[in-house]
Amino acid sequence: GQSLEQPSEVTAVEGAIVQINCTYQTSGFYGLSWYQQHDGGAPTFLSYNALDGLEETGRFSSFLSRSDSYGYLLLQELQMKDSASYFCAVNTNAGKSTFGDGTTLTVKP
Amino acid sequence: GAVVSQHPSRVICKSGTSVKIECRSLDFQATTMFWYRQFPKQSLMLMATSNEGSKATYEQGVEKDKFLINHASLTLSTLTVTSAHPEDSSFYICSARDRVIGADTQYFGPGTRLTVL
Repeated sequence: GQSLEQPSEVTAVEGAIVQINCTYQTSGFYGLSWYQQHDGGAPTFLSYNALDGLEETGRFSSFLSRSDSYGYLLLQELQMKDSASYFCAVNTNAGKSTFGDGTTLTVKP
Repeated sequence: GAVVSQHPSRVICKSGTSVKIECRSLDFQATTMFWYRQFPKQSLMLMATSNEGSKATYEQGVEKDKFLINHASLTLSTLTVTSAHPEDSSFYICSARDRVIGADTQYFGPGTRLTVL
């Protein structure tokens, strides 16, 4: 089966940089995705890594190291609206995704 | 990104009734859709994979006779919760997968909040 670990909570101030780590154990690894979910809403796609390295999309970046079974989501220039839950998800070549338990990010003024 | 709609967004029903939830991909064809349920403050749990033109694949522990899935076309999948009970109250979310070379992205519908009285 698959298992993922990510911190349950992270707190940071506006304008800061925060990194949310994700370690995983899986077979048939295809890629690592990141999703944002605000309270009461559905997840929205943020980023995807299939190969080692950094993917940058505006203020958000995601990193993957396949050899270490590790990835992270980097959020820069934090804004209050970034307060949400962030999920990493392992995509397998079986075509399914398994989600981590999520990290609740609280951005303070 | 692609757009996925879900209907209804919220439903309240009596115990013992059946509820149908629709998931549509609006601007692309989805051969595969996924159904998740999410309890408050918890992660998304995959219930089943819905494949167009074939039977759904259910995850371990999910009753296929209780959660009926039909993927009748490339843009529509439905989940019917049969004989719903209060413990079925949850947030049900569908997603459609867009898998191309170098990318594997799921686009989620807005979710359906089911409350069974």
